[in-house]
Amino acid sequence: AQSVTQLGSHVSVSEGALVLLRCNYSSSVPPYLFWYVQYPNQGLQLLLKYTTGATLVKGINGFEAEFKKSETSFHLTKPSAHMSDAAEYFCAVMGSGSARQLTFGSGTQLTVLP
Amino acid sequence: NAGVTQTPKFRILKIGQSMTLQCAQDMNHNYMYWYRQDPGMGLKLIYYSVGAGITDKGEVPNGYNVSRSTTEDFPLRLELAAPSQTSVYFCASSRRQGENTEAFFGQGTRLTVV
Repeated sequence: AQSVTQLGSHVSVSEGALVLLRCNYSSSVPPYLFWYVQYPNQGLQLLLKYTTGATLVKGINGFEAEFKKSETSFHLTKPSAHMSDAAEYFCAVMGSGSARQLTFGSGTQLTVLP
Repeated sequence: NAGVTQTPKFRILKIGQSMTLQCAQDMNHNYMYWYRQDPGMGLKLIYYSVGAGITDKGEVPNGYNVSRSTTEDFPLRLELAAPSQTSVYFCASSRRQGENTEAFFGQGTRLTVV
């Protein structure tokens, strides 16, 4: 079975500051890892994903994440926060079974201060 | 393409009433999923389907039923609504396999049981 832990249910940063959202996972097999973003009253939109290959993954809107197997982490970063980044962010791991269902973390609400 | 379409967007039910949440996708995806989202809890898997005629329980199936008669449609049925089923429900779909697998989400159905 796999699980995801997101440290910090709320994170606040100033506009222009570094964004760091933390995600740790547990999985019995090499994981497929995802970050999704949810804007108010919207569905989930894929930011980026790690499947195999390069451990530094670049996504949309300037976000990136690094897969660190030794630390079982997949933290999300962005060098300079923008007001439009305010949203809820979910880290997820995909199951290894035939159904490929996602197991989500509890989410991190990002607030960007002017 | 419309992607994943959920109807209705909002609904208020009385305790004991029944309803069906509709989900349709036009991407010819084999895999479909129903999640519920509760504040601070992330998304929990209710039911999933790996193809027409095949469904299985997820993490929180009690009080719900599903069917998958076609590739496109995956309705979720609540037979006897309870206050504990107040939540936001998301339908998602994904392709069968491959490293490019990602889940596409609908806009959600906000359900209140009173």
